[in-house]
Amino acid sequence: EVQLVESGGGLVRPGGSLTLSCAASGFTFSDYWMNWVRQTPGEGLLWLSFITEDGTGTNYADSVKGRFTITRDNARNTLYLQMNSLRADDTAVYYCSRDAIGHFDQWGQGTLVTVSS
Amino acid sequence: IVMTQTPLSSPVTLGQPASISCKSSQSLVHSDGNTYLNWLQQRPGQPPRLLIYQISNRFSGVPDRFSGSGAGTDFTLKISRVEAEDVGVYYCLQATEFPRTFGQGTKVEIK
Repeated sequence: EVQLVESGGGLVRPGGSLTLSCAASGFTFSDYWMNWVRQTPGEGLLWLSFITEDGTGTNYADSVKGRFTITRDNARNTLYLQMNSLRADDTAVYYCSRDAIGHFDQWGQGTLVTVSS
Repeated sequence: IVMTQTPLSSPVTLGQPASISCKSSQSLVHSDGNTYLNWLQQRPGQPPRLLIYQISNRFSGVPDRFSGSGAGTDFTLKISRVEAEDVGVYYCLQATEFPRTFGQGTKVEIK
């Protein structure tokens, strides 16, 4: 069974940093592109970042470019999102999603990040 | 690419059809010839779930009452007969270009 399990969310002060993880199982992780998507409470979905299967290619939404970094460790079947300079408007549920060539076919349950003083 | 969904809310009677439109600000045809337009469902309290990919391909396990159509910049998701479990928010998502972009979401609820 394909599973994506996010972790690492929590309460962080404005200007602080946090690293999210997404543990993958039930499929060959190194065969797939991956994405991070977030959802502000009660609002819609916002794509944040993409990474190729081997980690050599990445892409970011303008709102997080320069502050967030996506990486992966294929030996550990884990995707990461390093988030720096966090702001109140980064408060959201963060999802990782498997990307099967242009379709986001599997999603984790999400992890909540709250940025507040 | 801006994705615009209409309506934003759709009250539907059980057993009746529902239709959601999604228009993109530019063509979603990729240089490889494919059109990477997806439809996702998000039930209350749940993560999103893929329903349809590349305009009209139903994802594994998706009931055949869901169908997608369209081309270029205009796309439609149809539910032939709405069931109680279809309540939720539906999003279109384009994965043709970066940044990937979602529609605002359409809330389907039972009248």
